[in-house]
Amino acid sequence: DAGVIQSPRHEVTEMGQEVTLRCKPISGHNSLFWYRQTMMRGLELLIYFNNNVPIDDSGMPEDRFSAKMPNASFSTLKIQPSEPRDSAVYFCASSFQGVSYGYTFGSGTRLTVV
Amino acid sequence: EDQVTQSPEALRLQEGESSSLNCSYTVSGLRGLFWYRQDPGKGPEFLFTLYSAGEEKEKERLKATLTKKESFLHITAPKPEDSATYLCAVQLTSGTYKYIFGTGTRLKVLA
Repeated sequence: DAGVIQSPRHEVTEMGQEVTLRCKPISGHNSLFWYRQTMMRGLELLIYFNNNVPIDDSGMPEDRFSAKMPNASFSTLKIQPSEPRDSAVYFCASSFQGVSYGYTFGSGTRLTVV
Repeated sequence: EDQVTQSPEALRLQEGESSSLNCSYTVSGLRGLFWYRQDPGKGPEFLFTLYSAGEEKEKERLKATLTKKESFLHITAPKPEDSATYLCAVQLTSGTYKYIFGTGTRLKVLA
């Protein structure tokens, strides 16, 4: 398995533009997580899906952020409009719920909003 | 409020100099405690899961232990390739499977 695949690896965009981050989880995993990592706040959970259904989106900062999981092999995180304070590394992770193997993280998308 | 605190923030060791990293937690109910390693430019990589006080797990030069209030990651005779950020995370018994991560310990092992 190629692991959790995220795209793009790097994204530089201007303030006000729409940004879409993509994630392909590991086949067979039924839970998917979107995290944001910054130096100041560390890793923060944004949203969590189980069997393609959003379970907890309490970490989504505001209405500018939205996430979808249309099927078991694909998820998107969208920011519209983007702001400089959204600059961070965004990670997607997947797991099989109930198994103690932890999460498998992707390599992340480094987002810079100028 | 559920909280996870790691110390120290950063640690520099000479090769072969053993030490321990700390993860203390205050949570309403612990389902499990997880340790991850993160290298620069990469996502965290799973190391261990601990479920109950007194439990220990080992992998090469790393050993993780758990008490009712904290977990330690012991590094024995570290090598430069052990340099990374080590993250701990707790999973609550609140009915969901999300983690609360600590902010990590940046470890640098000098040759």
